[in-house]
Amino acid sequence: EVQLVESGGGLVQPGGSLRLSCVISGFTFSDHWMAWVRQAPGKGLEWVANIKGDGSKKNYVDSVKGRFTISRDNAKKSLYLEMNSLTAEDTAVYYCARDVNYFDSSGGHYFDAFDIWGQGTMVTVSS
Amino acid sequence: IQMTQSPSSLSASVGDRVTITCRASQGIRNDLGWYQQKPGKAPKLLIYGASSLQSGVPSRFSGSGSGTDFTLTISSLQPEDFATYYCLQDYNYPRTFGQGTKLEIK
Repeated sequence: EVQLVESGGGLVQPGGSLRLSCVISGFTFSDHWMAWVRQAPGKGLEWVANIKGDGSKKNYVDSVKGRFTISRDNAKKSLYLEMNSLTAEDTAVYYCARDVNYFDSSGGHYFDAFDIWGQGTMVTVSS
Repeated sequence: IQMTQSPSSLSASVGDRVTITCRASQGIRNDLGWYQQKPGKAPKLLIYGASSLQSGVPSRFSGSGSGTDFTLTISSLQPEDFATYYCLQDYNYPRTFGQGTKLEIK
């Protein structure tokens, strides 16, 4: 069964740090880009970061650059998000997602989509 | 790239045909997906490449558009379709979602 299971969320004080983990099963982890997406309480979805299958490329949303680091351990089939200098604006449910590519034969390029999601882990930044 | 969905909320009845629109602030070819999210649950991929139906998604869902204007259509609403829908551009980084459209029962 294909599954993504996040952990590591919790309550942290402003300025603090937290490390989220996402353990996968049911597919070849190293073949796929992976991503983190977050959702503040009562708000919409926000893409946070993604990482290539071999870890060689990473992308971030501007609001987390320099504070968050996405990484992976393919041997452990695990994705991570190291979060530092946390503020109240980082309070959200954090989802990990498989970032899959579909080839567009007519256009000659690839589409990206998040086809498998974890259940999410809640991060609350508050004093 | 900013993604703007309309309407922000919508009331409809079972059996209705519903259309949700997503507009990009610049051209994104057909690099767009649609996601459905129910309360307390993770999002679910419905459509990728603007018009390709994800495996396992009912055929009453369809997508169209290219460039800056896109639509998600549900041909005949079912009770399980009442949810929030998001578009997402995958043309460039950072990936950006629309603000969401909440589909409610009339």
